[in-house]
Amino acid sequence: NAGVTQTPKFQVLKTGQSMTLQCAQDMNHNSMYWYRQDPGMGLRLIYYSASEGTTDKGEVPNGYNVSRLNKREFSLRLESAAPSQTSVYFCASSEPPRRNEQFFGPGTRLTVL
Amino acid sequence: DAKTTQPTSMDCAEGRAANLPCNHSTISGNEYVYWYRQIHSQGPQYIIHGLKNNETNEMASLIITEDRKSSTLILPHATLRDTAVYYCIVRVDYAAGNKLTFGGGTRVLVKP
Repeated sequence: NAGVTQTPKFQVLKTGQSMTLQCAQDMNHNSMYWYRQDPGMGLRLIYYSASEGTTDKGEVPNGYNVSRLNKREFSLRLESAAPSQTSVYFCASSEPPRRNEQFFGPGTRLTVL
Repeated sequence: DAKTTQPTSMDCAEGRAANLPCNHSTISGNEYVYWYRQIHSQGPQYIIHGLKNNETNEMASLIITEDRKSSTLILPHATLRDTAVYYCIVRVDYAAGNKLTFGGGTRVLVKP
């Protein structure tokens, strides 16, 4: 089991460019999440998907869109990147209510110049 | 979800027990206490959670006071690999939207 995988590991963008961060999990979890972590800060929830076919905004959704492609995959898109979106992005999955802990991926380190 | 208060940092000697406190004085009756940790540059890792009874697993023990206003995470024999930021999170267990709200956490440094 790979758990939660994220691609790419690192990315540098110029202001205004777009990109999609990919996340996949092989644990057959229903719920998936996208967080961002700025230097020295805790994680903040961007979007989540409670189950396939549903998505909801989290704490900081502005400037992002998400797609729950299927049960395994949950992508995060930046349509027009801004320097304020420089951060580390973590994807997570869980299987409430049976297993409520979230399993996190290794993160994508994004720099917007 | 209730807010939590944790010390910003603490040191611990290798091989000794590390006791990490967390205050959650506004916790509601249906809110659980969760602990996660984040080792440098990695994704957070689940440690343990509980409602009102003390809990133990292979990683740690969780002691929750009787009034549930505070808790302590105990790492019984700290190793250098336990150096990390530890997050105490209080939240309701929803079936859908299983969200976590991370605060600042406690930066734990295990010293030889």
